[in-house]
Amino acid sequence: NAGVTQTPKFRILKIGQSMTLQCTQDMNHNYMYWYRQDPGMGLKLIYYSVGAGITDKGEVPNGYNVSRSTTEDFPLRLELAAPSQTSVYFCASRPLGATTSGTSTDTQYFGPGTRLTVL
Amino acid sequence: DQQVKQNSPSLSVQEGRISILNCDYTNSMFDYFLWYKKYPAEGPTFLISISSIKDKNEDGRFTVFLNKSAKHLSLHIVPSQPGDSAVYFCAASSGTYKYIFGTGTRLKVLA
Repeated sequence: NAGVTQTPKFRILKIGQSMTLQCTQDMNHNYMYWYRQDPGMGLKLIYYSVGAGITDKGEVPNGYNVSRSTTEDFPLRLELAAPSQTSVYFCASRPLGATTSGTSTDTQYFGPGTRLTVL
Repeated sequence: DQQVKQNSPSLSVQEGRISILNCDYTNSMFDYFLWYKKYPAEGPTFLISISSIKDKNEDGRFTVFLNKSAKHLSLHIVPSQPGDSAVYFCAASSGTYKYIFGTGTRLKVLA
């Protein structure tokens, strides 16, 4: 059980280039998320998905696109990279369950992150 | 508009003593709160959570307290160990599957 995996670990892009950040989970979780973390800041939600074929915007979706064709995969696409997208990107997944039960099954499981630099 | 605030960017504590990390929130609709721990070059890992129907939840050395009237929660670590040195994030949810994170507090436990 590998949990949540992300590739690549590091990437340097030039302004205007495009790339896809890959995220895969093997826990059969319904919910998946993409966050970015800028230095000294918390995690900001980019996009999330409640199941295959269903995605929605988070707090900071501009400049990104996502798709969810399978339960396992939730790739994040950057079409025209900009220096403002320099950040560490985390993918997370969560099982279906009530948020008020107070058990660890309601929590998100994070991948190790992708450090992206746009020059 | 920062709905979840961690006003202390860093905290240093002697090994064996208590660490208290604080978190304030503004949205009274939040009903579920979590603490995550993050080591450098790793993703956050879940530590402990609390529902708004409780005011305390304990798991080993970690206890989270929730004061709904003050919109404040705190994480207590007793006794603190050097391995607890990490960045701690609090997060809140309002009965949905989306979470709002604070900016984090860097805890350093001195041996």
